[in-house]
Amino acid sequence: DTEVTQTPKHLVMGMTNKKSLKCEQHMGHRAMYWYKQKAKKPPELMFVYSYEKLSINESVPSRFSPECPNSSLLNLHLHALQPEDSALYLCASSQTASGVNTGELFFGEGSRLTVL
Amino acid sequence: GQNIDQPTEMTATEGAIVQINCTYQTSGFNGLFWYQQHAGEAPTFLSYNVLDGLEEKGRFSSFLSRSKGYSYLLLKELQMKDSASYLCAGEFGGGNKLTFGTGTQLKVEL
Repeated sequence: DTEVTQTPKHLVMGMTNKKSLKCEQHMGHRAMYWYKQKAKKPPELMFVYSYEKLSINESVPSRFSPECPNSSLLNLHLHALQPEDSALYLCASSQTASGVNTGELFFGEGSRLTVL
Repeated sequence: GQNIDQPTEMTATEGAIVQINCTYQTSGFNGLFWYQQHAGEAPTFLSYNVLDGLEEKGRFSSFLSRSKGYSYLLLKELQMKDSASYLCAGEFGGGNKLTFGTGTQLKVEL
């Protein structure tokens, strides 16, 4: 199984809603990532978890809250978002040893978020 | 942050060869990835270079010069399905941090 599965594929939410994006992988990878991608732009790193611990937070606003319940799951909790947060949110995973990436990132197909 | 530069757009003819260049700041550099992304889809892995030199994988090859902060992706025998965005991504520091370039939108024409 070399898949990273993300749900939901599409999400529409209002600025007062609370929702969550979910990501799952069963490749035994110990590094998991959230990226944000706007149209015709490259993915921008948001968070990195290494061995279920948050290792990188790229100064992401607190309305985005990541969670790594176990080595296979990664969530992104969303609250009080703004319309400019509408984007494709990509989850990825990779092998890691001592917190250093040792290979390719496997990406999920993304969750397309629209904030009204 | 790390600056990773690549051309915004390129156009090439089916059956031809195209080279997509990427430059980056060498400070803290560990390795370089190339990804392909079709519109509306997730990026897919093409290559990973850590050492200087050319890595060949079928129709795709990737080159790295660590001292010059330079990489290129070479696509041979272009096919229409190769029309996509090609993302150069550098790994910097010791903490799983991958920074993407702006991407090169390649259009393959008949």
